[in-house]
Amino acid sequence: DGGITQSPKYLFRKEGQNVTLSCEQNLNHDAMYWYRQDPGQGLRLIYYSQIVNDFQKGDIAEGYSVSREKKESFPLTVTSAQKNPTAFYLCASSRTATNEKLFFGSGTQLSVL
Amino acid sequence: SQKIEQNSEALNIQEGKTATLTCNYTNYSPAYLQWYRQDPGRGPVFLLLIRENEKEKRKERLKVTFDTTLKQSLFHITASQPADSATYLCALTNSGNTPLVFGKGTRLSVIA
Repeated sequence: DGGITQSPKYLFRKEGQNVTLSCEQNLNHDAMYWYRQDPGQGLRLIYYSQIVNDFQKGDIAEGYSVSREKKESFPLTVTSAQKNPTAFYLCASSRTATNEKLFFGSGTQLSVL
Repeated sequence: SQKIEQNSEALNIQEGKTATLTCNYTNYSPAYLQWYRQDPGRGPVFLLLIRENEKEKRKERLKVTFDTTLKQSLFHITASQPADSATYLCALTNSGNTPLVFGKGTRLSVIA
């Protein structure tokens, strides 16, 4: 099955800890994105990558880091510098960078212990 | 500043009626606009894309209009069913390679 897979579904972070959220796609898409969703809020862009080995900051990149070493993978690290990390994190991909429809994963709910 | 506003946080409607959701934007010149459906605890699913030179697009019971003069898109679900209950998100971007920006969504409840 082609698709985009996020793991884990639920993740807990301790104070001062870095955690990494996984995002893998087998759709052969060039572009990948990370969005954050808070209750009752829209999706806010954290980082995006239009091509392998390149990525750009979105609107709320502070406290987060990403890498794009392989076309199919775009992991997101939530660092200890992110003081309010509790949210629903969504990874998405699109065939090209020119804003075609996005395919989303099923999300990761991150909570702070 | 740039804004995307979806007219209401929640909309309740009787089964069989037409649901109409609104998306207004300011300080964008979007090449196209998209609508997504999101169920609780799930990622959004793409529904429709409408381009700036298109007035209307249909897909089964769904219809989207796009008025660049009013800076507004309307999303209609005809003959609504309880299974249509979900949050609907509009998203747009200016032309080019800039990522989509999403509205906060409208939570639709279709009551049997």
